Amino acid sequence: GESVGLHLPTLSVQEGDNSIINCAYSNSASDYFIWYKQESGKGPQFIIDIRSNMDKRQGQRVTVLLNKTVKHLSLQIAATQPGDSAVYFCAEIPINDYKLSFGAGTTVTVRA
Amino acid sequence: GAGVSQSPSNKVTEKGKDVELRCDPISGHTALYWYRQSLGQGLEFLIYFQGNSAPDKSGLPSDRFSAERTGGSVSTLTIQRTQQEDSAVYLCASSLASGRANTEAFFGQGTRLTVV
Repeated sequence: GESVGLHLPTLSVQEGDNSIINCAYSNSASDYFIWYKQESGKGPQFIIDIRSNMDKRQGQRVTVLLNKTVKHLSLQIAATQPGDSAVYFCAEIPINDYKLSFGAGTTVTVRA
Repeated sequence: GAGVSQSPSNKVTEKGKDVELRCDPISGHTALYWYRQSLGQGLEFLIYFQGNSAPDKSGLPSDRFSAERTGGSVSTLTIQRTQQEDSAVYLCASSLASGRANTEAFFGQGTRLTVV
């Protein structure tokens, strides 16, 4: 079936650098996308979301970009900090649907 | 409460026993989800509730798994005759709305189930 997936399972980033985490989705009916951060031993934490009528959305130190043409989603983290070390998941819901589907996740490790 | 609450946080059970996992969603959230996460893996969808109804149970791994939601609030996930492969973290999430007006889903801390 259709699913959400991530390009890279791991990402190592130098503290202070910018991070880019990528996600490819296959369901063209996807309408709503969310990025979650999961720290060890905790549940996923909402970071930022974007709807399909937008290309870009910015939060505090984070930016989500959506390219519907190639069905690609990315999360950019500015000035990566040690506290950003976690597993990042993208998730999507098709329009008029309810099922929040997750990709496999990318483990981000921040080097001091 | 302020967030999604799950209990117990940890559960160790013997193979063959039944277990019940509880989820208290955020007050007013009509949508509730159960997911399972095995060690180092992604989130596997189990079941979704809209109010007290579960329109999609297709994610439940077997007939040993069942879930209910009462009063549009608390949900219980029950696993009968537990097996070792049921060992995982069971996560619950709730959201204000779903479907046409999807909003972000907030997760609880999960219940870590270990079947020995």
